[in-house]
Amino acid sequence: DGGITQSPKYLFRKEGQNVTLSCEQNLNHDAMYWYRQDPGQGLRLIYYSQIVNDFQKGDIAEGYSVSREKKESFPLTVTSAQKNPTAFYLCASSPLAVQETQYFGPGTRLLVL
Amino acid sequence: GNSVTQMEGPVTLSEEAFLTINCTYTATGYPSLFWYVQYPGEGLQLLLKATKADDKGSNKGFEATYRKETTSFHLEKGSVQVSDSAVYFCALSASNDYKLSFGAGTTVTVRA
Repeated sequence: DGGITQSPKYLFRKEGQNVTLSCEQNLNHDAMYWYRQDPGQGLRLIYYSQIVNDFQKGDIAEGYSVSREKKESFPLTVTSAQKNPTAFYLCASSPLAVQETQYFGPGTRLLVL
Repeated sequence: GNSVTQMEGPVTLSEEAFLTINCTYTATGYPSLFWYVQYPGEGLQLLLKATKADDKGSNKGFEATYRKETTSFHLEKGSVQVSDSAVYFCALSASNDYKLSFGAGTTVTVRA
């Protein structure tokens, strides 16, 4: 089955710690995205990538970093510089064309200890 | 810039009631419009989409019509079920863009 997997489902971060969220897709999509979801708010774009070894900042990139070494993978690191990291993180992918449908993974919930 | 405004929730309905969720947008050119649904603890799933004016998207009994004259894309379902309880997001993708702009989401609860 084609789809997007995210791991882990829940992640706990200690003060001053960097944590990495995994996102893998087998849909052969070129474009991948990371969103943050907070209660009562829509999704906000953190980073996106249209091609391997290239990525762009979204609306709320501060305190986050990404890499795109393989087409299938787009991991997100939440750094210690992100002072309010508690949120639901969603990864998505799409074909590389304007106005395409994005397909979402099941999400990772990040909690701060 | 591009933006989407959805009616605020939460919305609580009885089974078999009529559901409508209002969505209006601001964008230049001819955006594509989407409705996504999120069930508790899950990611988003595409519910329906429309790519040009007067297009009607439909799926699982839900419908929405792309109205350029009123810049709207309201979601409707004639008879809801308990299984329709979820958060619904309206979104747009501008005519020259890969990215999606989302509304704040509307939480719908259907009681048996």
